[in-house]
Amino acid sequence: GDSVTQMEGPVTLSEEAFLTINCTYTATGYPSLFWYVQYPGEGLQLLLKATKADDKGSNKGFEATYRKETTSFHLEKGSVQVSDSAVYFCALSGRSARQLTFGSGTQLTVLP
Amino acid sequence: EAGVTQFPSHSVIEKGQTVTLRCDPISGHDNLYWYRRVMGKEIKFLLHFVKESKQDESGMPNNRFLAERTGGTYSTLKVQPAELEDSGVYFCASSRGLGTEAFFGQGTRLTVV
Repeated sequence: GDSVTQMEGPVTLSEEAFLTINCTYTATGYPSLFWYVQYPGEGLQLLLKATKADDKGSNKGFEATYRKETTSFHLEKGSVQVSDSAVYFCALSGRSARQLTFGSGTQLTVLP
Repeated sequence: EAGVTQFPSHSVIEKGQTVTLRCDPISGHDNLYWYRRVMGKEIKFLLHFVKESKQDESGMPNNRFLAERTGGTYSTLKVQPAELEDSGVYFCASSRGLGTEAFFGQGTRLTVV
């Protein structure tokens, strides 16, 4: 079945540091790929997505590129802020598009 | 527009008791999903409604879990009787159509002691 493997945390960075959270997936066909974020006390929010190979999703300074050849969708940000502290989840939606398959989440803490 | 609303936000119950979680989706969203995150692990799919019909309940752990969506509006997820391993965060999400963006609620943190 479909699966998502996500870099385990927690990750602690200083403000303005570069962020990478690795995500690889296993799926049949060509899934859509997502990054969700959960800020403290809030629900899951869609951060960015990509629906086909070589697509780059971007939002709020975050980027991720759909790499079919390496089955990866790594999340990057050039300069993190304290307000980026949250739990980040990589996810995919398979061909049926009926449900999301999530990774285990990565807790990011950014220190001032 | 109101988002997906879940309540309670937290629930602490004793093993063997019954708990009912509620989810109010975004108005007009036919698709409603329940997910669960246990012990800081991955968020796992439980089931999917289209309007009032269960489309896929393959993720339901066992028959102690019962989900309903009366009239295709709000949904409830009942756990009876609750066991320790049921502790976790239960998320609800809704979407307008298949393949469209799913919007999540804040989740209900269930603790079974």
